Amino acid sequence: GESVGLHLPTLSVQEGDNSIINCAYSNSASDYFIWYKQESGKGPQFIIDIRSNMDKRQGQRVTVLLNKTVKHLSLQIAATQPGDSAVYFCAENENNDMRFGAGTRLTVKP
Amino acid sequence: EPEVTQTPSHQVTQMGQEVILRCVPISNHLYFYWYRQILGQKVEFLVSFYNNEISEKSEIFDDQFSVERPDGSNFTLKIRSTKLEDSAMYFCASSDRGDYGYTFGSGTRLTVV
Repeated sequence: GESVGLHLPTLSVQEGDNSIINCAYSNSASDYFIWYKQESGKGPQFIIDIRSNMDKRQGQRVTVLLNKTVKHLSLQIAATQPGDSAVYFCAENENNDMRFGAGTRLTVKP
Repeated sequence: EPEVTQTPSHQVTQMGQEVILRCVPISNHLYFYWYRQILGQKVEFLVSFYNNEISEKSEIFDDQFSVERPDGSNFTLKIRSTKLEDSAMYFCASSDRGDYGYTFGSGTRLTVV
């Protein structure tokens, strides 16, 4: 079946650098995507979302880019901070239910 | 900020026993969900619930599982006869719209021994 997946399982960046986390999806009918952050022992926390009629959306220090041509989603975190260390999941809306990708662990080095 | 509350935070149960995981969704939300996460793995969809009935369920959500909204505030997940492989974090989520970002609870860690 179609699924959401992630390119890299781990990402390590220096504090202050920008981070880019990637996600590939295969369901071309998906029209809504979310990035979640999960800290150890906690539930997923909504970061930012994007609908398929957009290719870019910005939040505070975060930007999501959507490339429907290649079915690729990315999360950019500007000036990464130690508090950004977590696992990041992309999720797609499928039949009004969110389906998650495998997750990327972001580690921020001081 | 409104929260989704889950209890207990950790439950240990004997294999074959029934467990009920409890959730209090955000009060004005209409859509409710259960997800599970086996240690180190991705978050997996179990079931969605709207208008007092299941609207969607995954292949994981077999006859051992059931959900209920027994009153206006609680949303429960019951596992009838737990298996070792049911050990996981179980997350409840709610949404005011079915197609919008959900709010997740902090999860219940279920350990089946």
